[in-house]
This record gives sequence, structure tokens and C-alpha cells, in this order.
Amino acid sequence: DGGITQSPKYLFRKEGQNVTLSCEQNLNHDAMYWYRQDPGQGLRLIYYSQIVNDFQKGDIAEGYSVSREKKESFPLTVTSAQKNPTAFYLCASSSNYAGYTFGSGTRLTVV
Amino acid sequence: AQSVTQPDIHITVSEGASLELRCNYSYGATPYLFWYVQSPGQGLQLLLKYFSGDTLVQGIKGFEAEFKRSQSSFNLRKPSVHWSDAAEYFCAVLTQAGTALIFGKGTTLSVSS
Repeated sequence: DGGITQSPKYLFRKEGQNVTLSCEQNLNHDAMYWYRQDPGQGLRLIYYSQIVNDFQKGDIAEGYSVSREKKESFPLTVTSAQKNPTAFYLCASSSNYAGYTFGSGTRLTVV
Repeated sequence: AQSVTQPDIHITVSEGASLELRCNYSYGATPYLFWYVQSPGQGLQLLLKYFSGDTLVQGIKGFEAEFKRSQSSFNLRKPSVHWSDAAEYFCAVLTQAGTALIFGKGTTLSVSS
């Protein structure tokens, strides 16, 4: 079955540590997205990529980085510069204006 | 700038009663609008979408939504709510550049028996 796989489901980060969240899709979608979800805040766009080797900052890109070396993969790195990284992170992909397909999310907690 | 407002943070509906979740958008042209549903700890699932044409759109799970340009609204409705509909619901609009979705802050639906 086609879909988006996010891993790990739960991730714990120590202060000052960089962590990478994985997002893989087998839908042959061109565009991929990362959103951050906090209680009562909805989804806020971190980064998006419409084609391989190209990506754009969203509304809250500070403290995050991404790469898009393959069509299927769009990993997100939460750097030590992100001062409040505890959140639920959602990856999505789309091929046109039909809407997004979402992964099941990664919950990141700072310990 | 484009934006989406969901005025109701939390709504409780009795099982079997009708439901309407409100969504207002700010957008300069004809918007592409979406409703998504999220169960706790899960990703989002697309319920329905509006691009053009008939202003009443049907979605999955018995949901429908009506686009009203004069009111800048895209409210979600269901005639009879089931306990399994308890979840968080998000309205979204595609940016004018067509690059990403902008989401509202969501409405949590509780269903009482």
C-alpha cells in the first residue's frame, strides 16, 4: 500500500542535541511538507519541497533544517538552535491540488 | 495574508444530533478549501475539498461542507453524529501561490451519549 512513513513515533532529545526525523513516501508525490503541531495552535509550516534538491522555508523554519536528495525522502533535523522543540511533527506529501497525504507523526520531547 | 479561523475551540454534541463546525477564511481569489480530521496521536485524514463548481461538497464518513463566498465560510456538517466522530477537525486553505496549506487552529469534537 502506498503511504507516508514517519519514524520514530516517539523521540527524546537532550538539551543541545540535534535530532533527525525521518519521512519516506512511496506515493510518487513531487511535493513534501513538514508541519509542527502544538496544542491549540493548529499546524504550522516548517519547510516544504516541491521538487528534488529544492526546498523553501515555511512560517517557523528557525532552528530546523531539511534536505531533499531523493523524491521519496524529506528528513527534518531539529537543531540545538530550536529552543522549544517539544511538539508533534507531521510530514505530508502531495502531487497536485488534491490535498495532502499525512504520515502518522513523530512526538518529540526534550528531556 | 491568507488565514483560516475556526471560531469554536471545543464542541460537544449528543450522539445522533446534527453537527456544524465553522470555518472562515481570508483569501483574495477563489480559494481551494479542505477539511481534515485527526484522531489523537495520529496524522490527518482528508474529509473533503472544494476547488470550484457546486458549492455543496460531499466527503467521506457522511460529512458535507458548503462554500459561501459572501460569508467567506466553508462550514462542515453532518446530519447525525456517531461516537466515532469524536476527534479534532481542521479547516485549511491552499496558499495563492499553490505551495502549501494554511490550517486553522482546529475544533475538538466530543460526542456525548
